[in-house]
Amino acid sequence: DTAVSQTPKYLVTQMGNDKSIKCEQNLGHDTMYWYKQDSKKFLKIMFSYNNKELIINETVPNRFSPKSPDKAHLNLHINSLELGDSAVYFCASSQEATGYYGYTFGSGTRLTVV
Amino acid sequence: KQEVTQIPAALSVPEGENLVLNCSFTDSAIYNLQWFRQDPGKGLTSLLLIQSSQREQTSGRLNASLDKSSGRSTLYIAASQPGDSATYLCAVSSGYALNFGKGTSLLVTP
Repeated sequence: DTAVSQTPKYLVTQMGNDKSIKCEQNLGHDTMYWYKQDSKKFLKIMFSYNNKELIINETVPNRFSPKSPDKAHLNLHINSLELGDSAVYFCASSQEATGYYGYTFGSGTRLTVV
Repeated sequence: KQEVTQIPAALSVPEGENLVLNCSFTDSAIYNLQWFRQDPGKGLTSLLLIQSSQREQTSGRLNASLDKSSGRSTLYIAASQPGDSATYLCAVSSGYALNFGKGTSLLVTP
């Protein structure tokens, strides 16, 4: 009964391919996020959805497109993958948009672009 | 824009020592501050959550304090053990997302 689950755990793909990462939370939270952890281990917000609506879209290439079919799911689709997209992508959720009650993270998806 | 700084970047201590990790943030208008632990190649494990109205939280050998007015938090680890070796991340919620520090990499030697 994992609270925030991401699939796949590992993803190796060639440059130029399109790939998707899926995230699901069973906590009943309203808000979900995608974070990117780069090679220097720094975690940075990419997107935030509250009740299926986009509320944060940081400076991310438009090759990255999040989709939230319902408030329990937030998927990340990446077009035309580049070497620099190699990173660990974390999904997270919070009870509401301010995060006042804390955040829960998934175990991450390690994306390697070759 | 909220900026979070963690000092030191790395720390090596012998087993049994008490230690303090520091976190500072630039904007005191926060909803909460959360400390996480990350083991190599693993996800983030939440250690302690301090909501904006609170001053500290404790869990086992861990104690975290929050001083919003000065923009500081400390994570105190008592009687450190080799199993405490990991990267410790401080994150601040100013609304709509968590802003992370770059972490403190802790090594506890037997």
